[in-house]
Amino acid sequence: DAGVTQSPTHLIKTRGQQVTLRCSPKSGHDTVSWYQQALGQGPQFIFQYYEEEERQRGNFPDRFSGHQFPNYSSELNVNALLLGDSALYLCASSLRVTNTEAFFGQGTRLTVV
Amino acid sequence: AQSVTQLDSQVPVFEEAPVELRCNYSSSVSVYLFWYVQYPNQGLQLLLKYLSGSTLVESINGFEAEFNKSQTSFHLRKPSVHISDTAEYFCAVRSRVIQGAQKLVFGQGTRLTINP
Repeated sequence: DAGVTQSPTHLIKTRGQQVTLRCSPKSGHDTVSWYQQALGQGPQFIFQYYEEEERQRGNFPDRFSGHQFPNYSSELNVNALLLGDSALYLCASSLRVTNTEAFFGQGTRLTVV
Repeated sequence: AQSVTQLDSQVPVFEEAPVELRCNYSSSVSVYLFWYVQYPNQGLQLLLKYLSGSTLVESINGFEAEFNKSQTSFHLRKPSVHISDTAEYFCAVRSRVIQGAQKLVFGQGTRLTINP
């Protein structure tokens, strides 16, 4: 079992650009959540996908959007990048019916210059 | 809504000394409780969790945490730390309601530094 995998591991983008981050959940999991972790902070919930729909959203602007595919993998898209979007983006997968544990990927380090 | 407060941003201790990392939470609904560990430049790894039953939960590497409902706390302890325990530790909560909010709410983290 490969666990939760994220790609790419590192990314450098320029202000105003758009970025897409990818996540494959742990085998058997059907729910994917995305978190933003700024330097020196705890992770902040962005949104959660289940059955290919956004089910819950944190306090993030519409520039942040996502998608879940039939194989449960997910993408996080950020448009019009700002310097403040620089952070570690973490993907977590879980099984909705049990709702007892989330497994995290290694994260994507996004730097906006 | 839930919130988590980790009372210490940094905790320096000497190797083989005991340590306690403090966590308090606030929630209007019943929650699950978690401790995650993050090593430098890595993602989060689950250290231990409280779901139900015994209020004292243990990890395989010697950490333990005790759920105290009256004080809404979930402090993490280890009787003797090792250099390899140097990391950032995050306390988190999640609603127990399956159809409700499934997001994890994290504290700000505690940086544990072990000195030789």
